[in-house]
Amino acid sequence: DGGITQSPKYLFRKEGQNVTLSCEQNLNHDAMYWYRQDPGQGLRLIYYSQIVNDFQKGDIAEGYSVSREKKESFPLTVTSAQKNPTAFYLCASSILGGDDYGYTFGSGTRLTVV
Amino acid sequence: SQKIEQNSEALNIQEGKTATLTCNYTNYSPAYLQWYRQDPGRGPVFLLLIRENEKEKRKERLKVTFDTTLKQSLFHITASQPADSATYLCALGGWGKLQFGAGTQVVVTP
Repeated sequence: DGGITQSPKYLFRKEGQNVTLSCEQNLNHDAMYWYRQDPGQGLRLIYYSQIVNDFQKGDIAEGYSVSREKKESFPLTVTSAQKNPTAFYLCASSILGGDDYGYTFGSGTRLTVV
Repeated sequence: SQKIEQNSEALNIQEGKTATLTCNYTNYSPAYLQWYRQDPGRGPVFLLLIRENEKEKRKERLKVTFDTTLKQSLFHITASQPADSATYLCALGGWGKLQFGAGTQVVVTP
């Protein structure tokens, strides 16, 4: 069955630590996205990638980094520079130009700073 | 500034009635508008897309309208069922990425 897998489902980070969230898709989609969701706010775009080895900053990229070494994988690193990282993180994928077709989302990773 | 506004108050509705949600936007010129359903603790699920040159789209019990003059989309769930209880998000696109509203929670009671 095709889909997007995010792991882990829950993640706890200590102050000053970097953590990496995994996102893997087997839909053969070219484009992948990372969004952050906070209570009462819309999903905010962190980074997106339309092709392997290339990615662009979204609206709130500061304190985050990504890589796109394989078409199937788009991991997100939350660095210690991100001052308020507690949130629900969602990965999505689409065909190129996917805002004309709809995104497929993973089930999310809930990150908490302890 | 650019804004996407959805009613932040939950919509409580009786089973069998029609739920109507609004999505208003300012300072965007979207080519497409999409609607998603999100259940608690889960990722959004794509429901419908409507293009700027389309006035209305239907899918089973769902209907979406798109008025680019009013900068508004309406999302209707007809003959609502308790299983329709969820948060519904609108999203604007046309520039290679989607911008999302905060969503409106719908609660359908038997």
